[in-house]
Amino acid sequence: QQQVKQSPQSLIVQKGGISIINCAYENTAFDYFPWYQQFPGKGPALLIAIRPDVSEKKEGRFTISFNKSAKQFSLHIMDSQPGDSATYFCAASNDYKLSFGAGTTVTVRA
Amino acid sequence: GAGVSQSPRYKVAKRGQDVALRCDPISGHVSLFWYQQALGQGPEFLTYFQNEAQLDKSGLPSDRFFAERPEGSVSTLKIQRTQQEDSAVYLCASSLWGEANQPQHFGDGTRLSIL
Repeated sequence: QQQVKQSPQSLIVQKGGISIINCAYENTAFDYFPWYQQFPGKGPALLIAIRPDVSEKKEGRFTISFNKSAKQFSLHIMDSQPGDSATYFCAASNDYKLSFGAGTTVTVRA
Repeated sequence: GAGVSQSPRYKVAKRGQDVALRCDPISGHVSLFWYQQALGQGPEFLTYFQNEAQLDKSGLPSDRFFAERPEGSVSTLKIQRTQQEDSAVYLCASSLWGEANQPQHFGDGTRLSIL
């Protein structure tokens, strides 16, 4: 049973465009929502994380938006660059165990 | 090194063989996690250690899977009598504290292929 649903499965964006990835969860006990970036042959690397008492968090070109009532959160990648081409995973946790979405493969076209 | 180190990076085994996968966490990190990542999927939790204590092994798929961290640093994930469905990338992660919701830092994984 997948606790975090992620969409889309893949997306293509032009250089300089905005990539948007959405996630939804059911477990209202979740209180920590990280995003990870994974390149082929590498492990996931933590990008940015948010807690439910905050509706938005920005770090550089990456922004998380969080909607507690809808139980949804999203990642926006602004000014997308070819180096951003990777698979992105949302995750959720209420203790130590991360529940991951299925991933979104982002391709940035130059 | 500064990051989580896993070895071997690739492992090929015949069905029925036993395998052992090693994880060196970031020095001083209290918590250590193992995840299994199937092709095209997100990582799935297997087990969690705080120092040498295995506090949660609820994600281990069967009793053929066994993990240990005897001195609270290096950890080994062992799979006995491997099956084809065990083929996956096995990821290790560590975090500094034993508290909830600390950032987890992942290694690059061991890609296991069972023939």
